[in-house]
Amino acid sequence: GAGVSQSPSNKVTEKGKDVELRCDPISGHTALYWYRQSLGQGLEFLIYFQGNSAPDKSGLPSDRFSAERTGGSVSTLTIQRTQQEDSAVYLCASSLAWDSGRYEQYFGPGTRLTVT
Amino acid sequence: AQKITQTQPGMFVQEKEAVTLDCTYDTSDPSYGLFWYKQPSSGEMIFLIYQGSYDQQNATEGRYSLNFQKARKSANLVISASQLGDSAMYFCAMREATDTGNQFYFGTGTSLTVIP
Repeated sequence: GAGVSQSPSNKVTEKGKDVELRCDPISGHTALYWYRQSLGQGLEFLIYFQGNSAPDKSGLPSDRFSAERTGGSVSTLTIQRTQQEDSAVYLCASSLAWDSGRYEQYFGPGTRLTVT
Repeated sequence: AQKITQTQPGMFVQEKEAVTLDCTYDTSDPSYGLFWYKQPSSGEMIFLIYQGSYDQQNATEGRYSLNFQKARKSANLVISASQLGDSAMYFCAMREATDTGNQFYFGTGTSLTVIP
């Protein structure tokens, strides 16, 4: 079946503009995750969804970041008033429900965000 | 303290030889999980192997095995019979339970180069 897809693959935006990043998880995966990877760095965990709810938003870097998930499927990560330090690759992943005991995450190709 | 520590920024291995990538972790959660992911130059993160904290046996997946030493809080990845296609960044990661669900932490990665 299809893997995790993300759009756009690349986004260049001007400082101060808002951006929306989209993630389509693997069908049947109820858990969805957002990460950020800066150049040459590891992954920074931002937020996860179990179904449509995000129980812990503490990983979001600032209140300019928000995420939602509707219908237990597609998720959108929104960054308002973008700053240059927001430039990074934003990765989305999905996994089976945690009560399945299977936590391995399947990642999308990422969205490369450049704020000029 | 760092949740996940990978002390080898870069490693080289001769083709067909085995290599060990180090990972240590820090958690007080008795029920945690450890993962290894591979990130080739194409950028996509690929799940390799998972070890649960209560698993008695070391996890194995084909040429990958996880050397789990719980008392030392160590979860090294062993790749046997290295292939040129194994050249990539390798990330160690951990899931630990929180009051609101789960948190995921990634190390800074080890760059592996397989030499023909």
